[in-house]
Amino acid sequence: NAGVMQNPRHLVRRRGQEARLRCSPMKGHSHVYWYRQLPEEGLKFMVYLQKENIIDESGMPKERFSAEFPKEGPSILRIQQVVRGDSAAYFCASSPLPDPKDTEAFFGQGTRLTVV
Amino acid sequence: GESVGLHLPTLSVQEGDNSIINCAYSNSASDYFIWYKQESGKGPQFIIDIRSNMDKRQGQRVTVLLNKTVKHLSLQIAATQPGDSAVYFCAETPYQTGANNLFFGTGTRLTVIP
Repeated sequence: NAGVMQNPRHLVRRRGQEARLRCSPMKGHSHVYWYRQLPEEGLKFMVYLQKENIIDESGMPKERFSAEFPKEGPSILRIQQVVRGDSAAYFCASSPLPDPKDTEAFFGQGTRLTVV
Repeated sequence: GESVGLHLPTLSVQEGDNSIINCAYSNSASDYFIWYKQESGKGPQFIIDIRSNMDKRQGQRVTVLLNKTVKHLSLQIAATQPGDSAVYFCAETPYQTGANNLFFGTGTRLTVIP
């Protein structure tokens, strides 16, 4: 059973371009969470999705950021018109149950986005 | 809102010694806490968790202590090994049924000196 797979591992984008980050949860996991980590800081929650539904996007910037978790395929975090401040590591986690108290969430290796 | 922070940003210990990493939180309603280990270039890895109805929980070489009176928790690592070198984060979930987002602290970088 492969772990949470994120790709690409490293992504370089010029200012104004779009970044698409992909996350394939562990087999059997239907709950996906995206976090952002700035250098030397902790992870900050962005969004929580179940299949075809956004459950909690309270941590998502209002503009330029969107996320989806389609019925088939990976979850996608999309950042439009990237700016230098978007440079960070973006981590995806998945779990088989919604409440972290009931089950461990497993993290992927992250995608390191660099905006130049 | 919830706030999780750490007392020390860095910690260096000799191999074989015990390590203690501290974490403070501000929301007295927080009811579940997790310690994560993050090695360079990798995602966070679950170490141990504790619910607010407990004061102590032990795992393999690790112990988490929770002091609800002063809103403080700590991670103790026994007989620290070079492989323990990493950044350690505490995280908490708010006291809401079904709440799914974790609030992470800034992290403490543990360096084990051989």
